[in-house]
Amino acid sequence: DARVTQTPRHKVTEMGQEVTMRCQPILGHNTVFWYRQTMMQGLELLAYFRNRAPLDDSGMPKDRFSAEMPDATLATLKIQPSEPRDSAVYFCASGEPTNLFIYFGEGSWLTVV
Amino acid sequence: TQLLEQSPQFLSIQEGENLTVYCNSSSVFSSLQWYRQEPGEGPVLLVTVVTGGEVKKLKRLTFQFGDARKDSSLHITAAQPGDTGLYLCAGVRDKIIFGKGTRLHILP
Repeated sequence: DARVTQTPRHKVTEMGQEVTMRCQPILGHNTVFWYRQTMMQGLELLAYFRNRAPLDDSGMPKDRFSAEMPDATLATLKIQPSEPRDSAVYFCASGEPTNLFIYFGEGSWLTVV
Repeated sequence: TQLLEQSPQFLSIQEGENLTVYCNSSSVFSSLQWYRQEPGEGPVLLVTVVTGGEVKKLKRLTFQFGDARKDSSLHITAAQPGDTGLYLCAGVRDKIIFGKGTRLHILP
């Protein structure tokens, strides 16, 4: 049963610490999305990749967030330094080039205190 | 500015009733998707509509894409408690943008 795998599932960290979230997309999917979900803003697109190349990261605060795909089986989202306002659920999703079939991971629940 | 506006934001109805939720935009999309999300989980894709005017049915759920490909609706017939959840619409161009969702609660 193919699925998108995200780690960690839950993370509590202190303000100023570095946070790295990881995502393993479904094998064969060449598009990867990072979203952030909060009650106030809903699901916001942070960045997305196609064939490991970043296509759009305009939704990401550039000074503290970075997203990479070191290889086809791993996408990372890093926050350095983290702030309380970064507390949210971060979702990774992967899909085929047509974007007609998108699958989400279960999310990484981040709390910055 | 929210590209996709969903209404209502919240809806609580009795089991057995019918309901419609809406997704509106001033932008044209190549396709539009509907997802359902349950607490503690990621959104799950329900349907993708591609052609203007298209209607798709999934058991008691009927999805419609507007003729101009800017808006969509989801109609649920004879709602059941299992339909409870957050319903999200998403517009697809080169990337996928989500509305804030309609939180639906079906009372037994």
